[in-house]
Amino acid sequence: GAGVSQTPSNKVTEKGKYVELRCDPISGHTALYWYRQSLGQGPEFLIYFQGTGAADDSGLPNDRFFAVRPEGSVSTLKIQRTERGDSAVYLCASSPSGPSYNEQFFGPGTRLTVL
Amino acid sequence: AQSVSQHNHHVILSEAASLELGCNYSYGGTVNLFWYVQYPGQHLQLLLKYFSGDPLVKGIKGFEAEFIKSKFSFNLRKPSVQWSDTAEYFCAVNDGTGGFKTIFGAGTRLFVKA
Repeated sequence: GAGVSQTPSNKVTEKGKYVELRCDPISGHTALYWYRQSLGQGPEFLIYFQGTGAADDSGLPNDRFFAVRPEGSVSTLKIQRTERGDSAVYLCASSPSGPSYNEQFFGPGTRLTVL
Repeated sequence: AQSVSQHNHHVILSEAASLELGCNYSYGGTVNLFWYVQYPGQHLQLLLKYFSGDPLVKGIKGFEAEFIKSKFSFNLRKPSVQWSDTAEYFCAVNDGTGGFKTIFGAGTRLFVKA
């Protein structure tokens, strides 16, 4: 597709459940980022992939959060034992290699609500 | 650790007024600086960026920003705002030596009255 896509657009789950959020980056973009945005805040960095490997996962809040990008394209953010505090919009972005490597293209986000 | 501070959370202006949104960052090394914008119902998109060179950077839709290293600032400006500039604006920074971890400010909501 032309832009970054994220599915689902909305996810409602119960406390303690497991969720997976999917990101499909722009074709050919080598870098992929996950952010979390809470109400009234800016995006908070979670993890960044260069190709298949997680180059920087220092933003993951704890070991309930995990992300993969097995083929260097689509990425999945996995959250185990969800808590109400995990409720937020989860944003994905991708960026190309070359001179524009630092320009991130964002998807529409997945709004996660943990009841 | 890097951090970004945006001085105003909400700004209301009339059309044709001038705009300046403040942004300060804390990081002692080389930085890349960005302003992103989110229009109502749309994705975050890049407005402008500074990597090196001329500290006055021009972006889309008549926006510009000035990097003042001594003040750790990267303020966004527009001489005359339009109703269509109503949006949320985010300042962001990352390590200019090749780091990709990007830190965003809390955002400034701009409302332009027609």
